[in-house]
Amino acid sequence: AQSVSQHNHHVILSEAASLELGCNYSYGGTVNLFWYVQYPGQHLQLLLKYFSGDPLVKGIKGFEAEFIKSKFSFNLRKPSVQWSDTAEYFCAVSMDSSYKLIFGSGTRLLVRP
Amino acid sequence: NAGVTQTPKFRVLKTGQSMTLLCAQDMNHEYMYWYRQDPGMGLRLIHYSVGEGTTAKGEVPDGYNVSRLKKQNFLLGLESAAPSQTSVYFCASKRLAGTYNEQFFGPGTRLTVL
Repeated sequence: AQSVSQHNHHVILSEAASLELGCNYSYGGTVNLFWYVQYPGQHLQLLLKYFSGDPLVKGIKGFEAEFIKSKFSFNLRKPSVQWSDTAEYFCAVSMDSSYKLIFGSGTRLLVRP
Repeated sequence: NAGVTQTPKFRVLKTGQSMTLLCAQDMNHEYMYWYRQDPGMGLRLIHYSVGEGTTAKGEVPDGYNVSRLKKQNFLLGLESAAPSQTSVYFCASKRLAGTYNEQFFGPGTRLTVL
């Protein structure tokens, strides 16, 4: 079955530390890839997306992600996190341009000041 | 432009009661979705709609019904609520054109079933 895996369920970092959150999917066809963020008490907001072209995608608030097709991965990175990045992060994948998204289970990030 | 809105924001039900959650979008999107979010499980698709008058089952449809009588509205109904339906419910919408599959989410409805 098609699935999306986020292996880090909880991550705790200090401010200014670098961040990398893993996302892997199981599907051999064409994919569209997304990272969404959910700040405490708020709804999901799009951080960045990949459809085609340059596999290194830059999003809002200094986040970026790299699509590595051979590894079926789309890891999220940020060089220096801030306390305000405390949130839950979801990877999502659309397969073969489907109008449905499959979400990972999420990663809760806590940034300590 | 309000985007995607949901009512109510919070609700507490007793087992066996019924209720309807309303989702509205003002972006003229064709596709609309209902998800539930449970701790450690991400978002799971309950039902979705690809246009006015059409609905389809998602990953976890049991115990829920939906209707899309108007393009801008997507209703989620619970006929006989159960404690297992305690969750946060999110509605989302997406435009039809192109392969840009970005979904826009509403603020969520927190439902507790006692």
